[in-house]
Amino acid sequence: QVQLVQSGSELKKPGASVKVSCKASGYTFTGYAVNWVRQAPGQGLEWMGWINTNTGKPTYAPGFTGRFVFSLDTSVSTAHLQISSLKAEDTAMYYCARSYDIFDYWGQGTLVTVSS
Amino acid sequence: EIVLTQSPATLSLSPGERATLSCRASQSVSSYIVWYQQKPGQPPRLLIYDTSTRATGIPDKFSGSGSGTDFTLTISSLEPEDFAVYYCQQRNNRPITFGQGTRVEIK
Repeated sequence: QVQLVQSGSELKKPGASVKVSCKASGYTFTGYAVNWVRQAPGQGLEWMGWINTNTGKPTYAPGFTGRFVFSLDTSVSTAHLQISSLKAEDTAMYYCARSYDIFDYWGQGTLVTVSS
Repeated sequence: EIVLTQSPATLSLSPGERATLSCRASQSVSSYIVWYQQKPGQPPRLLIYDTSTRATGIPDKFSGSGSGTDFTLTISSLEPEDFAVYYCQQRNNRPITFGQGTRVEIK
């Protein structure tokens, strides 16, 4: 069965970096894009962008350029989200989701908490 | 960027009642509206795509309608497991955007 399993919760200090992973199984990894979606505490869903799993080309939504990097390790069917220079407002649940723009499978989410 | 406005913010209903949720786009999105359900502590779950096509395994108590800028998700008869937050999403234009959500709560 299709699964997206994300790495565990992270507690980071302001200014640090974090890398979130999303490991896919149950389907051909390169057959579907991977998207990233942010959900701040008690808030709605915010699309961060996507990565083409064939070419590795990332596309970032407005507001997610500069400090956010999407990458792949296709040898282990895994997508990564790296956030640098963390700020308190980056505290959120981060989800990976399969497919180009109809998100049919989601990871369980990774909570990133930024606090001094 | 297309703004999606969902109404009402909260819908208080009893089990067995019909729920009607609205999603309005700031410009036409053709038929490219997607609906998700999210329960506390869980990721969103795909319900309906392209206005009215139910995703695999979604019961027919969920239905969608609309076109252009006005869309509706209807839950015909609420069951306890349907009380959740519902989001619409448009995929007609980039960036992809979501509505702010409608919470369906038990009255």
